Amino acid sequence: DADVTQTPRNRITKTGKRIMLECSQTKGHDRMYWYRQDPGLGLRLIYYSFDVKDINKGEISDGYSVSRQAQAKFSLSLESAIPNQTALYFCATSPGMGTGELFFGEGSRLTVL
Amino acid sequence: AQTVTQSQPEMSVQEAETVTLSCTYDTSESDYYLFWYKQPPSRQMILVIRQEAYKQQNATENRFSVNFQKAAKSFSLKISDSQLGDAAMYFCAYRSPEYAGGTSYGKLTFGQGTILTVHP
Repeated sequence: DADVTQTPRNRITKTGKRIMLECSQTKGHDRMYWYRQDPGLGLRLIYYSFDVKDINKGEISDGYSVSRQAQAKFSLSLESAIPNQTALYFCATSPGMGTGELFFGEGSRLTVL
Repeated sequence: AQTVTQSQPEMSVQEAETVTLSCTYDTSESDYYLFWYKQPPSRQMILVIRQEAYKQQNATENRFSVNFQKAAKSFSLKISDSQLGDAAMYFCAYRSPEYAGGTSYGKLTFGQGTILTVHP
């Protein structure tokens, strides 16, 4: 089983709908992140959390919200989806100290019609 | 804010040959970490190699090596003896050290990516 699990893997929805992407991890890491990948733009940070009580906005947080339900769970919500939120979304974790590399989930492909 | 630039949207290489992917970054910090991630068609993000800025020696992982030029803020990835399985999108990423604080604390900043095609 994957150490970082994202659900759903793929989702098609309509403009205006509320969508939640879920992420759970078994790596025991305190830090969790949500990134968005778009062609030609690489990965951009949406939100990140260094522990359950710590939530921070990334560079592109408008239109998104997050919830850190537990050390192992970090959810991303689109309150009212719009077509330009069509993208590949990644959850990632990090142990913090050390080199701080990220460990990624398998991605959630979201299409907003 | 730190920026990472990959100026080659696409690259191609013949199987068994060598290819170099370029990456430049902008930072005012003296200590930091650099990474190359690989994203095959499965879309999984896989760490290829990492480099600590305080280390002068270039990192190497089997067929993958980097050319880290700190003064030039350049971090290129060399893939030797290319294999069909190397075909993927490659991302360069930058991270500040923990003590740096500031806006990049604890986060990775990614480049735009380079699509690598390997021809048999």
